[in-house]
Amino acid sequence: QSALTQPASVSGSPGQSITISCTGTSSDVGGYNSVSWYQRHPGKAPKLMIYDVSNRPSGVSNRFSGSKSGNTASLTISGLQAEDEADYYCSSYISSSTVVFGGGTKLTVL
Amino acid sequence: QVQLQESGPGLVEPSETLSLTCTVSGGSISSYDWNWIRQPAGKGLEWIGRIYNSGRSTNYNPSLKSRVTMSMDTSKNQFSLKLNSVTAADTAVFFCARGRGSSYFDYWGQGTLVTVSS
Repeated sequence: QSALTQPASVSGSPGQSITISCTGTSSDVGGYNSVSWYQRHPGKAPKLMIYDVSNRPSGVSNRFSGSKSGNTASLTISGLQAEDEADYYCSSYISSSTVVFGGGTKLTVL
Repeated sequence: QVQLQESGPGLVEPSETLSLTCTVSGGSISSYDWNWIRQPAGKGLEWIGRIYNSGRSTNYNPSLKSRVTMSMDTSKNQFSLKLNSVTAADTAVFFCARGRGSSYFDYWGQGTLVTVSS
């Protein structure tokens, strides 16, 4: 199973919106509504931000939203804040009850 | 609040077996699925596998399947990972995490660094 494709880095200024893409195939992202997104600050455990494409867990800011079109999922962060600076990873269910992650995207808040 | 904590040796010699345990508090491991995920330095996350159904069922990453064994001790609320024949490429931070619907991970441990070196 190949890792999902994410941009290595994205950046934005406070208050702006950014979008991180996650591209797979019809066998993973495109085939299931099981894409999730995780935020990881250095030295910390990953935190679930979005599950099942567009659902936010309790306690996650509504500035975070997810969507999917075809084989590409997206995470959008609006009203960018300094605390959003972190690495972001997508993941998707694939066949045989296995999971694949993206390579990760480093978000820099300018 | 569910909490997970990884434990095990931080240094393993090449060709040996890496063994880690995850202790879960705040909930029973007889429900949900329980996963191991790793991250080599400077690289992305890699799902290793899951154990569920009170330890009766497992799914493994096909790329690691020949070297991985997971087990569960419901009496201790713990689950474990064994990865055999390790090489330097297995050096990583290892996380345990609770899974939902074979799809996403809602609770994670802090992670433990395992270095493979002689």
